[in-house]
Amino acid sequence: AIQLTQSPSSLSASVGDRVTITCRASQGISSALAWYQQKPGKAPKLLIYDASTLETGVSSRFSGSGSGTDFSLTISSLQPEDLATYYCQQFDTYPPLTFGQGTRLEIK
Amino acid sequence: QVQMQESGPGLVKPSQTLSLTCTVSGGSINSGGYYWYWIRQLPGKGLEWIGYIHFTGPTDYNPSLKSRVTVSVDTSNNQFSLELRSVTAADTAVYYCARGAYYHGSGPLFDSWGQGTLVTVSS
Repeated sequence: AIQLTQSPSSLSASVGDRVTITCRASQGISSALAWYQQKPGKAPKLLIYDASTLETGVSSRFSGSGSGTDFSLTISSLQPEDLATYYCQQFDTYPPLTFGQGTRLEIK
Repeated sequence: QVQMQESGPGLVKPSQTLSLTCTVSGGSINSGGYYWYWIRQLPGKGLEWIGYIHFTGPTDYNPSLKSRVTVSVDTSNNQFSLELRSVTAADTAVYYCARGAYYHGSGPLFDSWGQGTLVTVSS
């Protein structure tokens, strides 16, 4: 199974900060990566797919980049409503579909 | 807008079978382009894919759970279900149903989710 390792596992940032979360795959997955946002007590929400394509309706503050084994999710200007845990998911090789372990984002 | 809702017991005894149903509204489970998934979130941990079904019948399961899992579909009621047999405390988790979609051939991507249901395995 392809393993996805996210870093950091948690971070704290201030409103207006630029925040970057990374996801590293244990083997190359081309651009077959998605990012999800899970707010406390809620189900995950799809943000980005194909590593860099923004899902319809998602704020342009979110962007994704990368290919192969190294990927990143960037929030250009952190807002209070961005408090959440963020997960990456690969869909290059399955079963099994796999997710990263999550990055918890806190607002200072 | 598709909505999904999990239902089933919140408490299951060890060695018994966990059974959950997902009811889909606002769209048909017969939509050919989608697959219907079960995903769980272990306490304090990340997300784990359990398995999926297509309305025509094909299924696939996480190899780590395959011997204990069955996913089935009831198109007449627009529902699909999960059975996880011989549960232990390690199966305590929030269980989500989700719709898997393919965007221009990319996927599956989970674009709709149920709210999740906590299932505790305990005597």
